[in-house]
Amino acid sequence: AQRVTQPEKLLSVFKGAPVELKCNYSYSGSPELFWYVQYSRQRLQLLLRHISRESIKGFTADLNKGETSFHLKKPFAQEEDSAMYYCALSPYNTDKLIFGTGTRLQVFP
Amino acid sequence: DADVTQTPRNRITKTGKRIMLECSQTKGHDRMYWYRQDPGLGLRLIYYSFDVKDINKGEISDGYSVSRQAQAKFSLSLESAIPNQTALYFCATSDARGGEQYFGPGTRLTVT
Repeated sequence: AQRVTQPEKLLSVFKGAPVELKCNYSYSGSPELFWYVQYSRQRLQLLLRHISRESIKGFTADLNKGETSFHLKKPFAQEEDSAMYYCALSPYNTDKLIFGTGTRLQVFP
Repeated sequence: DADVTQTPRNRITKTGKRIMLECSQTKGHDRMYWYRQDPGLGLRLIYYSFDVKDINKGEISDGYSVSRQAQAKFSLSLESAIPNQTALYFCATSDARGGEQYFGPGTRLTVT
């Protein structure tokens, strides 16, 4: 079955601390993987996707096919990073997104 | 700016009532989606559409129906609302297979 697992519902860190939001997926083929973010009172929006291999707002995510993971990392968290983060998988050659249950990141001053 | 809009933004209705949620977009995208968001469950796909002649069921389509009236409009209907359909509903659009999805602001539906 195709599934995305985000094991942490809540992750709390202090400003300046490193952050890692975990995402594991279950899919037999070659997935497209995404991180979406929802800031308070804003719409859900794309943060980054694995094929672009870029860093957005200091965040990076590396696809590890061996561990079937796509963890989101940032070396120094900022208060404005506080938001709900969703990992999502798009099975090959489909138009669907399968979302994880989300992780709320709280960054304290 | 090209946008995805949803109406209404909030709705309270009673069990058994029929209700329609509407989504409009000015992005010119062919692909449109309806999701529901529940605490602890993330977003789950209800229906999606590639164009006005193509409608597809998602993960949780039971109890819902959709209509793609035009490229820009995609409506979600609850024929007979029940309390466990209380949720936040999102519409999204995309211009490419596997591409970025652009979300509307959401409709908070409460069924009493």
